[in-house]
Amino acid sequence: AQRVTQPEKLLSVFKGAPVELKCNYSYSGSPELFWYVQYSRQRLQLLLRHISRESIKGFTADLNKGETSFHLKKPFAQEEDSAMYYCALSGGSIQGAQKLVFGQGTRLTINP
Amino acid sequence: DAGVTQSPTHLIKTRGQQVTLRCSPKSGHDTVSWYQQALGQGPQFIFQYYEEEERQRGNFPDRFSGHQFPNYSSELNVNALLLGDSALYLCASSSLGSQGYGYTFGSGTRLTVV
Repeated sequence: AQRVTQPEKLLSVFKGAPVELKCNYSYSGSPELFWYVQYSRQRLQLLLRHISRESIKGFTADLNKGETSFHLKKPFAQEEDSAMYYCALSGGSIQGAQKLVFGQGTRLTINP
Repeated sequence: DAGVTQSPTHLIKTRGQQVTLRCSPKSGHDTVSWYQQALGQGPQFIFQYYEEEERQRGNFPDRFSGHQFPNYSSELNVNALLLGDSALYLCASSSLGSQGYGYTFGSGTRLTVV
């Protein structure tokens, strides 16, 4: 079964502090992992994906296949990082654009 | 480019009624996926359309059906509405083969069943 678990519904940190949003997944195979973000009054949008191994807005995420985790990290949080963050897994399609399996999301609040 | 357009933005229906939600994909996209997002939950995959056919389906009953038109736009139909169908319905468009990173999401339709 494909499953994504985000154990924290709410996370609050102070500006300048490190941030880590946890994501664990269950998938029999080699999934693609993503982080999507939804800022206030905006649409859901892609933040980053594990294949690209890039840093977006200072965020990074490393896929740990042994621990089946894909935690999102940022060394110094900024107020504009306050948003809803969803971890998502892609896989199981017969071909073409793959469906996404989302976690329940973590609401990140950065306090000034 | 307007991106993904969904209509209506809000809708209130009575139990047992039927509803149709509409989605226009981003220019250049040929695949449309529908997701249901209940309050406090992440989006759940309903189904995906490509070349006017349902290509994949999530764990949703047959009351949920869809259609894709030759211009790639899509409709989501829900029959015999239940209170539990109240949710935000998201449409996401992509190009076939773009994987999960190619999705562009719409703002959604908020459906309330009373």
